[in-house]
Amino acid sequence: NAGVMQNPRHLVRRRGQEARLRCSPMKGHSHVYWYRQLPEEGLKFMVYLQKENIIDESGMPKERFSAEFPKEGPSILRIQQVVRGDSAAYFCASSTEKHQPQHFGDGTRLSIL
Amino acid sequence: AQSVSQHNHHVILSEAASLELGCNYSYGGTVNLFWYVQYPGQHLQLLLKYFSGDPLVKGIKGVEAEFIKSKFSFNLRKPSVQWSDTAEYFCAVSGAGSGGYNKLIFGAGTRLAVHP
Repeated sequence: NAGVMQNPRHLVRRRGQEARLRCSPMKGHSHVYWYRQLPEEGLKFMVYLQKENIIDESGMPKERFSAEFPKEGPSILRIQQVVRGDSAAYFCASSTEKHQPQHFGDGTRLSIL
Repeated sequence: AQSVSQHNHHVILSEAASLELGCNYSYGGTVNLFWYVQYPGQHLQLLLKYFSGDPLVKGIKGVEAEFIKSKFSFNLRKPSVQWSDTAEYFCAVSGAGSGGYNKLIFGAGTRLAVHP
């Protein structure tokens, strides 16, 4: 009974490179949320997607960040031209419907050299 | 502005002590409330949720929380902690109602350390 699967668990990038974070929701879940956790802070909402649609991206930086949730395959959070400030833990969560509790993945810890 | 405030960033207790973690929120409209726990190196797990009805909610791992609407609070309690309760605890709120969805707003978290 697989939960929310995120990979990689740890990702190291140099400044200016691209980071791609993947999230496979729980079986039967069509709603995906991405959150970012900076050191010593709580999780901050970034984006909410349903299959093939971005519903709310109000928490995502306007530049360099993008997200998708294609009809087939995992949801992808993409960060272009990474900077040191992008270092954080990125968590994905999924739910069956928009008001049902979210189940979280183990997160991807992104480190920028 | 929508926000969640957790009053204690770090709490240290001895085993068998009682626990109460404070949570206050600021949100316009009807809310859903949650407590999550994150054990070291693991993902967030849902402890309990409040959507409507009885404001005293019981969750997993022996915890409960009380929603006090007039105080905009949702404090977490456990009568007797164990060493295995050492973890970080997050309070979260989302908008309820047909127009909203589960965009969670989290507090900064409370790190609980329980000593044997």
